[in-house]
Amino acid sequence: EAGVAQSPRYKIIEKRQSVAFWCNPISGHATLYWYQQILGQGPKLLIQFQNNGVVDDSQLPKDRFSAERLKGVDSTLKIQPAKLEDSAVYLCASSLATKRELFFGEGSRLTVL
Amino acid sequence: AQKITQTQPGMFVQEKEAVTLDCTYDTSDPSYGLFWYKQPSSGEMIFLIYQGSYDQQNATEGRYSLNFQKARKSANLVISASQLGDSAMYFCAMREGPNTDKLIFGTGTRLQVFP
Repeated sequence: EAGVAQSPRYKIIEKRQSVAFWCNPISGHATLYWYQQILGQGPKLLIQFQNNGVVDDSQLPKDRFSAERLKGVDSTLKIQPAKLEDSAVYLCASSLATKRELFFGEGSRLTVL
Repeated sequence: AQKITQTQPGMFVQEKEAVTLDCTYDTSDPSYGLFWYKQPSSGEMIFLIYQGSYDQQNATEGRYSLNFQKARKSANLVISASQLGDSAMYFCAMREGPNTDKLIFGTGTRLQVFP
């Protein structure tokens, strides 16, 4: 079974530029999550989708971050404009049903200069 | 206040020995779930073990066991017979309450296994 796929693995941009990350969850997983992991910290939930609807985006900085999950499968996380403090690993995860373990991708490492 | 506390930034253990990684949590909700994840240098978070707040027995998965002490609000991970491949970051996480799927993570413990 294929795992959660993410791209790109690495991205370096200058502040005020924009960036987008893509995630393809495990086939059949209805729930998709985006987490932000700053160096030296544990992951923090940014947004959770159930199919193509948003369940929780309370910690998403909506002035610069946006995410969508069209057709309830793939998802894209966008940052525009990026700030230095956005430097982090962005982890995508999916689960078969709510309240079960999450399966994570390898993450997309963003460096903002 | 920290919901999940991992007080050990780093731990060393010799191959084939057992090691305990500490985790304490804070919640007033009687229904919660506790998770441990492993994060190798590749970056992927790998699910290891789960303990529900109402589970009567401590969870075990192969070489992993969870020492769940509810009154102390601790959920320590025990790895038996350590292997070199166990070297990684380990995160404790909590799902708080019956109506959320959000996982709250601790800051992690870096485990290094030496020969």
